[in-house]
Amino acid sequence: EVQLLESGGGLVQPGGSLRLSCAASGFTFNNFAMNWVRQAPGKGLEWVSSISSNGGRTYYADSVKGRFTISRDNSKNTLYVQMSSLRAEDTAVYYCAKISMPGSAEYLQHWGQGTLVTVSS
Amino acid sequence: DIQLTQSPSFLSASVGDRVTITCRASQGIRSYLAWYQQKPGKAPKLLIYAASTLQSGVPSRFSGSGPGTEFTLTISSLQPEDFATYYCQQLNSYPYTFGQGTKLEIK
Repeated sequence: EVQLLESGGGLVQPGGSLRLSCAASGFTFNNFAMNWVRQAPGKGLEWVSSISSNGGRTYYADSVKGRFTISRDNSKNTLYVQMSSLRAEDTAVYYCAKISMPGSAEYLQHWGQGTLVTVSS
Repeated sequence: DIQLTQSPSFLSASVGDRVTITCRASQGIRSYLAWYQQKPGKAPKLLIYAASTLQSGVPSRFSGSGPGTEFTLTISSLQPEDFATYYCQQLNSYPYTFGQGTKLEIK
């Protein structure tokens, strides 16, 4: 069974930094691209970032480019996002998500339960 | 960036009704569109990918159409468990984008 478990969320001051982790199990992690998607309270889904299976290609939403860095450690089956220069509008539940099939378009078949990041003074 | 506009944003319907949600892309996205269902407090669930392919385990009352710039999600006969919020997502080009969502409520 595929499991994705996010951690690292919490309260951070504006301008601060936070690193989220997503521990993956139940599949061959290094075969699949991974994504981060967020959802502000009461709002819709926002795609944040994507990383290829070997970590060699990364992509970002315009809203986080230059502030967030996605990475992965395939030896630890873990996905990360390093978030810096955080703003109030980054407040959201952050989901990690696994694509459905290697080599396919990045349809997001499996999702974690999410971790809440609150940016506030 | 490619914008996706869903309509309607809110939909009130009854069990047994047939409903259709539309997702319009600001430019052609071929068939690189997915539909997700989200219930309160839960992660989204993939329903349809490649515009019209039903994800394994999803009931056949769900169907999708495309490709191009206008896509639809149809639920042929609403069941109580279908009342949720639905999102489309384009994966034609980065940055990937979601529609703003359609909340389907019980009439």
